[in-house]
Parts: sequence; structure tokens; C-alpha cells
Amino acid sequence: QVQLQESGPGLVKPSQTLSLTCTVSGGSISSGSYYWSWIRQPAGKGLEWIGRIFTSGSTNYNPSLKSRVTISVDTSKNQFSLNLSSVTAADTAVYYCARAITGTTKFDLWGQGTLVTVSS
Amino acid sequence: QSVLTQPPSVSAAPGQKVTISCSGSSPNIENNYVSWYQQLPGTAPKLLIYENNKRPSGIPDRFSGSKSGTSATLGITGLQTGDEADYYCGTWDSSLIAGVFGGGTKLTVL
Repeated sequence: QVQLQESGPGLVKPSQTLSLTCTVSGGSISSGSYYWSWIRQPAGKGLEWIGRIFTSGSTNYNPSLKSRVTISVDTSKNQFSLNLSSVTAADTAVYYCARAITGTTKFDLWGQGTLVTVSS
Repeated sequence: QSVLTQPPSVSAAPGQKVTISCSGSSPNIENNYVSWYQQLPGTAPKLLIYENNKRPSGIPDRFSGSKSGTSATLGITGLQTGDEADYYCGTWDSSLIAGVFGGGTKLTVL
């Protein structure tokens, strides 16, 4: 079955860029009518949608993060990635990658999540 | 401040029924499908309800969803201690052109 796995540094210094990759296994990232999202959750807080990408490369971002976020996709590697620039302690969170069916917010598949701490 | 508003907590006894509300507005809940997610401690969220009231395969019919206007509701009957979790509503916001979630509701089964 299809699975998602986040990877990347667990510690990022303030003002630097947070970079994470989500690897899709057990199926092709290009098959089906899906889009691929990043969602984060600070400790003890709720879910925050960061953005999404279609395999065509089309993206949408959370307006509150738009100036700092870039999501990209590499279909040859079955991966999509998140870059978040100029990070501060407020960006410390568990970051999830997730799959949703196009035209919905039905996130039917999630990665296990990865904790990223912003600290010097 | 979340775009969608949920009560911070709800509680009920085992075997009882509980409802969790999710309040939004025209650009989000009123004009888009709502999904609900269950998050057990230390785990990723799990899809419970999609398209307002549909259950994915494997989700028991104790869980139900409904929507009316700018609000949605998750219902859970026959509460079990294993239902203790955080529950989130989510939808698309056509004005923000972004996904949005509620702040989450912690369910305690007394």
C-alpha cells in the first residue's frame, strides 16, 4: 500500500531555511487524481495547512506563510519537498506530509510526522 | 486563531453520545466539503469523515458527520475509552484559496 515518509534535519538555526522531503512509496506520486500537502502542528496546538502541490507543479500556499514557503515535486524520485525560509522559534513543530484527492480536503494518507526544532 | 471554530473540549461517559461542532463561514464550510480527523496521542491524524458525512472503509458507523449552512458536526455514539483523542475539522476556503482546520477538540471519555 502507498506510504508517505518525511525526512530532513530535526534542528534548524533561526533565520535559516527549513527543508523537508516526503517520499511516496508503494505507488506512483503521479497516479490518480491527488495533490500533495504539507501540514504542521506545534506542540500542544492544532493543525496548520502549509500548502499543496499537484504533480503538474501547480501550487497553493497558506497566505500567512506564502512569502516564505516553496513546495516542489520531483516525479522521477517520487518525492515532494518543503522549503520554509527565515525560520524562527514559532516554526518549531511536527511537520506532516499528506495526500488528498483533487477537489477535496480529504487527507486520506499521512506520513508519521517529523519534529523540526528551530534553535541556535 | 483558526478559521474554523471548535470547542476546546468535550466529555461524556462510556456508552454515551457526544457531538463536536465546527463553525465557519460562507467561503469555507458553506461552500466546500468538510472532513473530520481523529488524532490519538503521539500519532498522525486519521481520516474519520469526508465529504461532510461519508466514512472511509474501516471507520465504524458510530462516527457520523453532518453539515448545515456554515457549521458542521461530528457525532460519536457508543463512546469507548479508545475514542479519547483530539478531533479536527477541515475544509477548503475559497476566499483564502487554502486549506483550513479547526483548532481541535479534546474528547475525554469519563
